[in-house]
Amino acid sequence: DAGITQSPRHKVTETGTPVTLRCHQTENHRYMYWYRQDPGHGLRLIHYSYGVKDTDKGEVSDGYSVSRSKTEDFLLTLESATSSQTSVYFCAISADRDVEKLFFGSGTQLSVL
Amino acid sequence: KQEVTQIPAALSVPEGENLVLNCSFTDSAIYNLQWFRQDPGKGLTSLLLIQSSQREQTSGRLNASLDKSSGRSTLYIAASQPGDSATYLCAVRPSGSEKLVFGKGTKLTVNP
Repeated sequence: DAGITQSPRHKVTETGTPVTLRCHQTENHRYMYWYRQDPGHGLRLIHYSYGVKDTDKGEVSDGYSVSRSKTEDFLLTLESATSSQTSVYFCAISADRDVEKLFFGSGTQLSVL
Repeated sequence: KQEVTQIPAALSVPEGENLVLNCSFTDSAIYNLQWFRQDPGKGLTSLLLIQSSQREQTSGRLNASLDKSSGRSTLYIAASQPGDSATYLCAVRPSGSEKLVFGKGTKLTVNP
């Protein structure tokens, strides 16, 4: 993998609790993304970042917030987890959104009971 | 709205066979198209990236082509091996968009 670490790898939590997922990169890439992958829906973009403190919403951003205080770290927070947020979450990075490959982390399996 | 379709959803072939995976997209205004491989329980690995101005890219036994005007891409795998068994996804980056649009993938099984 291209220097991307997601933590935790697995998490089980209860409805209504806050959850934070972390993505850490060692590539000094500008762009970072959070996706969720669900059967029947494929991969969908939650939020993305194009620099420190520069973030924007993707297509399924409701119920999620993000922060990027350092180039290497991109945090995804579920303020109050719901069962519909049970999914596999992937972080991805890219040096240049238009011409560079996208590299993915290994994913976080989140179960909200 | 850009949509990406991959057919078939699943494919099973004997080892050694050459095969083609298909990807179609509805809007030809794209920056690039990528083919990814995903192994069970793992993340996605980018295999090939084709810029909108390119027609094809090759890496080892893999060759991806792009026909932007017709909204089609193919991934050709030569002399398939059991280790090629995985799900293959294609994704396009629409012009002016931050968002990659993914197909749902083709699950490939190569039988020894």
